Amino acid sequence: GQSLEQPSEVTAVEGAIVQINCTYQTSGFYGLSWYQQHDGGAPTFLSYNALDGLEETGRFSSFLSRSDSYGYLLLQELQMKDSASYFCAVRSLDSSYKLIFGSGTRLLVRP
Amino acid sequence: GAVVSQHPSRVICKSGTSVKIECRSLDFQATTMFWYRQFPKKSLMLMATSNEGSKATYEQGVEKDKFLINHASLTLSTLTVTSAHPEDSSFYICSARDSRDRVSEQYFGPGTRLTVT
Repeated sequence: GQSLEQPSEVTAVEGAIVQINCTYQTSGFYGLSWYQQHDGGAPTFLSYNALDGLEETGRFSSFLSRSDSYGYLLLQELQMKDSASYFCAVRSLDSSYKLIFGSGTRLLVRP
Repeated sequence: GAVVSQHPSRVICKSGTSVKIECRSLDFQATTMFWYRQFPKKSLMLMATSNEGSKATYEQGVEKDKFLINHASLTLSTLTVTSAHPEDSSFYICSARDSRDRVSEQYFGPGTRLTVT
């Protein structure tokens, strides 16, 4: 089976930098994605790592290390609107394109 | 950008009745759509993969006779919760993958909050 573990909650101050980790146990996957979800809303795509290394998209960066079974999402210059839940997800190796989501991290940004 | 809609956004029904939830890809064709269930403050749990023109593939532990999925066109998939019970109350989210897209990105609908009384 596949499992992706994340810290349940993270709190940070506006303007700061926060890192949300994702450790996984899986027999294989195509890539690691990150999604943001505000309460009651739809998940929105943030970033995707097909290969090891760092991907940067504006204030958000994501990192993957397959050898360490580990990835993270880095949020810089935190804003109050970044308070949300963040999920890592992997796409299974079969042809279904289905995503398996991590346990999720609730980020609270304080003034 | 790719937009996925869901209808209704909220529904309240009585125990024993059936509820149908629609998921539409508005500006792209989706041969594959996915249905998730999410409990408060929990992660998204994949229920089934819906393939246009064929039977859905259900995840382990999901009752296919209770959660009927139909994907009759390239832009529409429906989830019917049959004989609903209070424990079926949840947030149901669909997603769709653009058939032309080589990347695994899925576009999510806004979700449907189902309350069974």
